Amino acid sequence: GDSVTQMEGPVTLSEEAFLTINCTYTATGYPSLFWYVQYPGEGLQLLLKATKADDKGSNKGFEATYRKETTSFHLEKGSVQVSDSAVYFCALSDESRDDKIIFGKGTRLHILP
Amino acid sequence: GAGVSQTPSNKVTEKGKYVELRCDPISGHTALYWYRQSLGQGPEFLIYFQGTGAADDSGLPNDRFFAVRPEGSVSTLKIQRTERGDSAVYLCASSPHGLAGANEQYFGPGTRLTVT
Repeated sequence: GDSVTQMEGPVTLSEEAFLTINCTYTATGYPSLFWYVQYPGEGLQLLLKATKADDKGSNKGFEATYRKETTSFHLEKGSVQVSDSAVYFCALSDESRDDKIIFGKGTRLHILP
Repeated sequence: GAGVSQTPSNKVTEKGKYVELRCDPISGHTALYWYRQSLGQGPEFLIYFQGTGAADDSGLPNDRFFAVRPEGSVSTLKIQRTERGDSAVYLCASSPHGLAGANEQYFGPGTRLTVT
């Protein structure tokens, strides 16, 4: 079945460092890809999404590009802030499977001032 | 506007008891999903409703779990004979589903269930 694999955390960086969180997926169809974020004490929020190959999703300085050839959707940010500390989930969904979301295990990010 | 709400926010129950978890989706959203998030894991799909009917319940772990959505809006997840392994955060999400490209799901804050 479909699945998502993302790098294990925790990831600890200094403020203003460059961030990459790797994500790869396995899918038989043509899924949409997502990054969700869970800030401490808050609910799950959609950070960005891409619905087809070569699309780039972006939000709050974060970017991810849907790479069909490498089945990847890596999350990047050029300069992280302390407020970016959270758990990040890579995920996919497929319209042919009722859009139920399949999540990765999450990557905890700590940003040090 | 109002988002997805879930009640209670926390529920502590004894092993063997019955619990009900409630989800109020965004008004007008026809699709409703339940997920379960265990500690240190990503959310896992449980069940999906389109309107009043359960279109896909393949994620329910066993027959102790059941969910309803009788009027196509509020949904209740019911767990019988709770076990310690049921302890998790139960998330509800809704979506306008059916509109092209409108497959984004909006998540509620979750109900943290602890079975002692």
